[in-house]
Amino acid sequence: GEDVEQSLFLSVREGDSSVINCTYTDSSSTYLYWYKQEPGAGLQLLTYIFSNMDMKQDQRLTVLLNKKDKHLSLRIADTQTGDSAIYFCAESSRSQGNLIFGKGTKLSVKP
Amino acid sequence: SAVISQKPSRDICQRGTSLTIQCQVDSQVTMMFWYRQQPGQSLTLIATANQGSEATYESGFVIDKFPISRPNLTFSTLTVSNMSPEDSSIYLCSVGAEGAGETQYFGPGTRLLVL
Repeated sequence: GEDVEQSLFLSVREGDSSVINCTYTDSSSTYLYWYKQEPGAGLQLLTYIFSNMDMKQDQRLTVLLNKKDKHLSLRIADTQTGDSAIYFCAESSRSQGNLIFGKGTKLSVKP
Repeated sequence: SAVISQKPSRDICQRGTSLTIQCQVDSQVTMMFWYRQQPGQSLTLIATANQGSEATYESGFVIDKFPISRPNLTFSTLTVSNMSPEDSSIYLCSVGAEGAGETQYFGPGTRLLVL
């Protein structure tokens, strides 16, 4: 079945860039998403990219998609302590719209 | 984006009891979903809540254990029946964003602990 993989942990220093990587197996993915989950909170949609795009930029966030390698990344520029959270990659390929999630990458930002 | 609320936000329940979780959206939406997030794990889709018909369950989830109601386009409930400690999870409601592809917005979640 479909699978989405992410590394579990990433630690960076405040002010550095963070890059969170994700791979997926379903070649028919139409949309790919990044969600943020802060401790004790629900999921916040950060950004999404349609599968015919290579890149999407939104303020400090840059999403890169390599469809050939089925690789998605999220770059956070000038990472702040408030960016500390778990980041989930997700993909959607079914017309009903349910999402397949990765296990999440816990980002720790050190001052 | 839609504003989604869930009740209760958290609960501690005894084994063998049932809990009904409510999800309310501030606008009419076509697609509503229920997910489970077990401790330290990712999200798993339980079912799609269909308005006016029975919910569509994913493999491993059954109606007897997780009955779902969807009486209108802004409200749904998920019941966790005959609970056991293995049901301790965060339960999240999500809605499909109309006209934004297959984007989904999530509610704040219900944190359930079963003793």
